[in-house]
Amino acid sequence: ETGVTQTPRHLVMGMTNKKSLKCEQHLGHNAMYWYKQSAKKPLELMFVYSLEERVENNSVPSRFSPECPNSSHLFLHLHTLQPEDSALYLCASSHRQGWEKLFFGSGTQLSVL
Amino acid sequence: DAKTTQPPSMDCAEGRAANLPCNHSTISGNEYVYWYRQIHSQGPQYIIHGLKNNETNEMASLIITEDRKSSTLILPHATLRDTAVYYCIVSSPDSNYQLIWGAGTKLIIKP
Repeated sequence: ETGVTQTPRHLVMGMTNKKSLKCEQHLGHNAMYWYKQSAKKPLELMFVYSLEERVENNSVPSRFSPECPNSSHLFLHLHTLQPEDSALYLCASSHRQGWEKLFFGSGTQLSVL
Repeated sequence: DAKTTQPPSMDCAEGRAANLPCNHSTISGNEYVYWYRQIHSQGPQYIIHGLKNNETNEMASLIITEDRKSSTLILPHATLRDTAVYYCIVSSPDSNYQLIWGAGTKLIIKP
C-alpha cells in the first residue's frame, strides 16, 4: 500500500464516451502527477499539480482534462479518446514539487475501443 | 530521451545479490541518480537515490563511481518478489518535475 489510490483499476470505453479517472493520496503531499505508460514505451509525464495549481502540461491533447480540487485528489477527465490512448494511467504524489521521490498508485488500465 | 543506459534484462538466483548496472556518462554536477522499480501490474516504487556518496537503505545499496558516470544498484539477497523492471534515472532540481524514464532492466529472480 503506497498511500496513493486510483480508481477504477480497469476501464473500457468507446471513442464517444466521457469518463473520469480518480486519484486520492493519503500522504499529506503537495504535488500530484499524471503519467501515461503505453505498451513497450517509457513512462510519459502528462500533468503536474503543485498546491492545486497546474504547473506542467506536457503537450497533452485536449481530450485529456485534469482537475485538482484539493491537494489530496486528482482527476483525469477523458472524452472522445482514440484507440492509441489505450494505456496504463498512473497517478503519483510527492512531498513537494520537483525531484523528490514519487509515490505511485497502481494505475488505471484503459482500453479505448 | 533518457540520459541513462541499462541492460534490457538480467537474471539472478534467489538468495544471491543482484547487481544492476546503469551508465549515465553525461550526468551533470547537480543531477542525482534515482532508482525505481515496477512490479507487474503495479505502479513504480521508489528504491533509493544518491548524488556522490554510496547510499544504503532497507531495500538496497547504491554504488556511484567516483567520476559519477555509472552506478550499480545492489539488492543484497534477492527474492522472487524482487522480479520487476528496474529504472535508473538522473534528475536535478533544475529539471522541475521531469523524471525522464527509459526502458529499464527487467530483472528475473530464479528459484
